[in-house]
Amino acid sequence: RKEVEQDPGPFNVPEGATVAFNCTYSNSASQSFFWYRQDCRKEPKLLMSVYSSGNEDGRFTAQLNRASQYISLLIRDSKLSDSATYLCVASNTGNQFYFGTGTSLTVIP
Amino acid sequence: EPEVTQTPSHQVTQMGQEVILRCVPISNHLYFYWYRQILGQKVEFLVSFYNNEISEKSEIFDDQFSVERPDGSNFTLKIRSTKLEDSAMYFCASSTVNSNQPQHFGDGTRLSIL
Repeated sequence: RKEVEQDPGPFNVPEGATVAFNCTYSNSASQSFFWYRQDCRKEPKLLMSVYSSGNEDGRFTAQLNRASQYISLLIRDSKLSDSATYLCVASNTGNQFYFGTGTSLTVIP
Repeated sequence: EPEVTQTPSHQVTQMGQEVILRCVPISNHLYFYWYRQILGQKVEFLVSFYNNEISEKSEIFDDQFSVERPDGSNFTLKIRSTKLEDSAMYFCASSTVNSNQPQHFGDGTRLSIL
């Protein structure tokens, strides 16, 4: 059973569109959650942490539903520079980060 | 902005040889990690390190692997007797406290085993 599952996509959206990614995690003991983005052959870069109350950073909004073990990321007004793979991450009570396989996004002019 | 640095950026090694991947974590960070990403696959946890000892490791991190913090700045991953399937991108990461805090990743070492 995968610790973190994501729809791999690809998502191809026009500039200015709103796009949402979903992620589920299997370990109910998971404590912290993050979204990272990864450009082709580059390192994962932190996009945002995900809090129970939901949080927003500019065009990006993250939500956590602990009861459903579900995390989401909403991107509004998509830009060409948003094209990347978005990685959902859950961490347990130890120090392991569990990565999803990532969701590929391409923003089209 | 402080960053995690890794060397070399690309390492080509013959199968069966030993390889050492090097990382300099962010200076005030206390937790250090190694991950690997086989081409086209997800990022996989290898090991975490705190207070000069391994705090957690995955089933991938077998006797072939070891980590060390030889001085106050470097954090190394040694792979003994490399196999073809060790070919991957290896990422080092560090965080201020523990897994409740975001981890900051280096730009990786691409390891190619021939």
